[in-house]
Amino acid sequence: AQSVTQLGSHVSVSEGALVLLRCNYSSSVPPYLFWYVQYPNQGLQLLLKYTTGATLVKGINGFEAEFKKSETSFHLTKPSAHMSDAAEYFCAVSGSGNTPLVFGKGTRLSVIA
Amino acid sequence: GAVVSQHPSRVICKSGTSVKIECRSLDFQATTMFWYRQFPKQSLMLMATSNEGSKATYEQGVEKDKFLINHASLTLSTLTVTSAHPEDSSFYICSARDRVGNTEAFFGQGTRLTVV
Repeated sequence: AQSVTQLGSHVSVSEGALVLLRCNYSSSVPPYLFWYVQYPNQGLQLLLKYTTGATLVKGINGFEAEFKKSETSFHLTKPSAHMSDAAEYFCAVSGSGNTPLVFGKGTRLSVIA
Repeated sequence: GAVVSQHPSRVICKSGTSVKIECRSLDFQATTMFWYRQFPKQSLMLMATSNEGSKATYEQGVEKDKFLINHASLTLSTLTVTSAHPEDSSFYICSARDRVGNTEAFFGQGTRLTVV
């Protein structure tokens, strides 16, 4: 079984400040890990993913995440927040193969001018 | 990259009627598609796994007679909400994995269903 815990349902940062969204996972198999962003009334946009290989993953819009197996974590960071980053962010886990993604509850990011 | 197209994006229906939502993989074949449901300000919850040419697998607590899933071809899965009620109002999203390596999941744009 797999699960995802996102710490903090709401994170608020100032424009230009560091963004840190936390994600911890549980998986009985080697995990594939994903971060998605969702804007109101829209679908999901993939920010980045980890499958195998390099543990520091760079994604779109300046986001990156680091897979830490020992901590079962996959936290999302961005050095400098932009107003357009305000959205809902979901961390997800899956196994390999044709299996569904399991999502965390999401973290709403607010960016203050 | 691969594209999953979902239609319609929004639908309003009267209570007691049925609504069909289509999910198509446009440039790849998907033997399996997944249907999720998202309530306002909540996460995506897996409803069912749709398998081409066979019966769908439903998650616990999801009524298979209310949410009919048909996966008639390698590029099309449909979700029909039968005898819809206001409590079925939600955001429905379909997804498919890529066939080579399954390292990515592609999502449709979602369907906002409102039952009045």
